[in-house]
Amino acid sequence: QSVLTQPPSASGTPGQRVTISCSGSSSNIGSNTVNWYQQLPGTAPKLLIYNNNQRPSGVPDRFSGSKSGTSASLAISGLQSEDEADYYCAAWDDSLNGLWVFGGGTKLTVL
Amino acid sequence: QITLKESGPTLVKPTQTLTLTCTFSGFSLSTSGVGVGWIRQPPGKALEWLALIYWDDDKRYSPSLKSRLTITKDTSKNQVLLTMTNMDPVDTATYYCAHEENWASDYWGQGTLVTVSS
Repeated sequence: QSVLTQPPSASGTPGQRVTISCSGSSSNIGSNTVNWYQQLPGTAPKLLIYNNNQRPSGVPDRFSGSKSGTSASLAISGLQSEDEADYYCAAWDDSLNGLWVFGGGTKLTVL
Repeated sequence: QITLKESGPTLVKPTQTLTLTCTFSGFSLSTSGVGVGWIRQPPGKALEWLALIYWDDDKRYSPSLKSRLTITKDTSKNQVLLTMTNMDPVDTATYYCAHEENWASDYWGQGTLVTVSS
């Protein structure tokens, strides 16, 4: 059971906009920034969004993040077939001397 | 260019101790604000954070695994070691190490699959 809650699956057709939610608590998302990771099949996770809404160099602006209270969201606009992947949210949790917590992951299918 | 690579045994027996090495380049673990963490992923399952060591030797552990984990660094060799005791088949997973800075794991190794079986 993951500390952060994500929907297990999401889907969309090419060109559509999809959002993936991530719900936490006051000790993690409510107090700290949220990161999003993309994991393509058979590969290591890749940082997609950091500090709630910042994109590392090379990440297309089709990907955006937001945070409100104890929840966060990842939005993907102009969906492409290569976006089919697992997406994970993560946040630092201030409890128990501090630790990273992850969501359970959302498998995005491009129909 | 930052790179990390995990190494260690691919197969361990139940009750044995696992030692994994993360060898990195492109940064120094003596630089203020830098850390290296370990994350694992059982086959078909979600990511699970394990441990993190910072440039100043501050260490953090997953509460559920703290009694079994030890993370250390060798700055001169650009390596971070993770030891996990009393391995069990449920610990079968791909183990990743990652560079951490500015509150994000921004570079990841390719991962190494560790199977626990007798």
